[in-house]
Amino acid sequence: KAGVTQTPRYLIKTRGQQVTLSCSPISGHRSVSWYQQTPGQGLQFLFEYFSETQRNKGNFPGRFSGRQFSNSRSEMNVSTLELGDSALYLCASSGKQGLTDTQYFGPGTRLTVL
Amino acid sequence: ILNVEQSPQSLHVQEGDSTNFTCSFPSSNFYALHWYRWETAKSPEALFVMTLNGDEKKKGRISATLNTKEGYSYLYIKGSQPEDSATYLCAFSGGGADGLTFGKGTHLIIQP
Repeated sequence: KAGVTQTPRYLIKTRGQQVTLSCSPISGHRSVSWYQQTPGQGLQFLFEYFSETQRNKGNFPGRFSGRQFSNSRSEMNVSTLELGDSALYLCASSGKQGLTDTQYFGPGTRLTVL
Repeated sequence: ILNVEQSPQSLHVQEGDSTNFTCSFPSSNFYALHWYRWETAKSPEALFVMTLNGDEKKKGRISATLNTKEGYSYLYIKGSQPEDSATYLCAFSGGGADGLTFGKGTHLIIQP
């Protein structure tokens, strides 16, 4: 099976812009989760989608949003970018048990905000 | 905000030695405890997901134990090899809307 894919792999934006990141899960997986990794905070949970519905949400401002399509592909959007949003954004997919199932991670999108 | 602590933060181990490190998590509302290995320039790789108190899991030279009543899990590596060098992350799920809470990891370096 193909693994989790994320596009783009690298992105440079300026403050105030918005960005959309994409994640394609492993075939058959219906749960997609998003994470932010920064040197200071480590890996932090953003949200989880299952069958097009947001099922869990981490402690991030409303500028961070996501959605999931009927084919389980997911997008994450960050509006009004701030310097502190510079991070590695990882998505992970899993089976029907969601966050109690093994998470299979993609390679990540490295976002730099200037 | 849930508190998941890992210790030590970093560890240097001689090749061939065995080692272990700890993950502490809230002992209430336990749902699952995950362990991942994250090598530089790669994606985190799942090692174990444990859900029951007393669970012991093994994958080759790596094993893990779980104590949900006291809120800790140990990861053991037997006969360390250079390819074991990585950051080992644990993640706690309380089943609520907080999703997965990760510790900051133990950075393991195996010295030949």
